[in-house]
Amino acid sequence: GAVVSQHPSWVICKSGTSVKIECRSLDFQATTMFWYRQFPKQSLMLMATSNEGSKATYEQGVEKDKFLINHASLTLSTLTVTSAHPEDSSFYICSAASEEGNSYEQYFGPGTRLTVT
Amino acid sequence: GQNIDQPTEMTATEGAIVQINCTYQTSGFNGLFWYQQHAGEAPTFLSYNVLDGLEEKGRFSSFLSRSKGYSYLLLKELQMKDSASYLCAVLDSNYQLIWGAGTKLIIKP
Repeated sequence: GAVVSQHPSWVICKSGTSVKIECRSLDFQATTMFWYRQFPKQSLMLMATSNEGSKATYEQGVEKDKFLINHASLTLSTLTVTSAHPEDSSFYICSAASEEGNSYEQYFGPGTRLTVT
Repeated sequence: GQNIDQPTEMTATEGAIVQINCTYQTSGFNGLFWYQQHAGEAPTFLSYNVLDGLEEKGRFSSFLSRSKGYSYLLLKELQMKDSASYLCAVLDSNYQLIWGAGTKLIIKP
């Protein structure tokens, strides 16, 4: 299967600082990238969907000015958590999707665990 | 509204067979995914069904009935490492993934 990487795999930051998380599709071009957040013992929650070269579409309740998404190319998307607070501590997972004809594939990155102190 | 239902938790014995059901009501349908997620890790892709019927892949099989809004994941010859959460997700008409809450599968020796 295709490989999606995330960097960093974990990060600890102080309240008020910003953190950038990178998501890369290593061996395929992703037409769409998704960012999810998962709190302990809960299902994945979609935060936003982004297509290369266009603005991300945010889910209801997700602050677009706080969670900045840049989809710079077909293999790279970044999520920046600005002015992080302890309640932003979570597991952030990206996925990259490729659609060709009737085939649709979506692969997940390994996730980034963010702890805000 | 959109809704995906799957059991919260199931228990099975090592070496046995278990079936995890998923029912869905979504705005449009472009396929159904099953993912496995171990605690603290990202989900890993297991299967994708877009047509009715059974897809077999090794010890895992996935079934879909679009008319019934129903799918199941069948795990055979259970191993201890199969203990994980299994997530059902449907791709809706906007190509957004709608997630179930996941089924925690506990395997006992």
